[in-house]
Amino acid sequence: NAGVMQNPRHLVRRRGQEARLRCSPMKGHSHVYWYRQLPEEGLKFMVYLQKENIIDESGMPKERFSAEFPKEGPSILRIQQVVRGDSAAYFCASSPRGDFTDTQYFGPGTRLTVL
Amino acid sequence: GQQVMQIPQYQHVQEGEDFTTYCNSSTTLSNIQWYKQRPGGHPVFLIQLVKSGEVKKQKRLTFQFGEAKKNSSLHITATQTTDVGTYFCAGSSGGSYIPTFGRGTSLIVHP
Repeated sequence: NAGVMQNPRHLVRRRGQEARLRCSPMKGHSHVYWYRQLPEEGLKFMVYLQKENIIDESGMPKERFSAEFPKEGPSILRIQQVVRGDSAAYFCASSPRGDFTDTQYFGPGTRLTVL
Repeated sequence: GQQVMQIPQYQHVQEGEDFTTYCNSSTTLSNIQWYKQRPGGHPVFLIQLVKSGEVKKQKRLTFQFGEAKKNSSLHITATQTTDVGTYFCAGSSGGSYIPTFGRGTSLIVHP
């Protein structure tokens, strides 16, 4: 029973390039959440998606960031024209029901470094 | 918006000593969850509290949810080096499915 999978685990990009982060939820989970974590800080919510729908993107910057969760395939967090301030760990979590009692299961994260 | 404060930010203890981290919310919570993140790792779910005044135990860990559902604590008895990591609380309120995470308490256990 595979857990939440994220790839790549480490990603290095130069300023101005694009970063694509992938997340495959646990089997049977249709709710995906993306978080960003800066060093020695907590997790900041970015976006909540269900299959083919963005439910809540209140934590996502309006520009350069986008997310999708297609009917087939993993959820993707896309960062265009990366800047140094985008360097962080990006975690994806999935849950089965999407209600407030749900448990979120986190993936191993993608550590993004922008040079 | 909802804010979740967690103290202390860091805690150094000698192995065998007890440890407590506190979580306070600016709003009444529907529930609170606790996670542990090892250095270089990812958050791992520990427990969820839903009821006012609820107390749950997992071996040496005791979790409490305040009567007003605005604060919570995690207490570890007789710490071990395997307890090292950052402990996060995360609370949801107002019907939101999105938990707000505290900044975490990093526990350092000295052998």
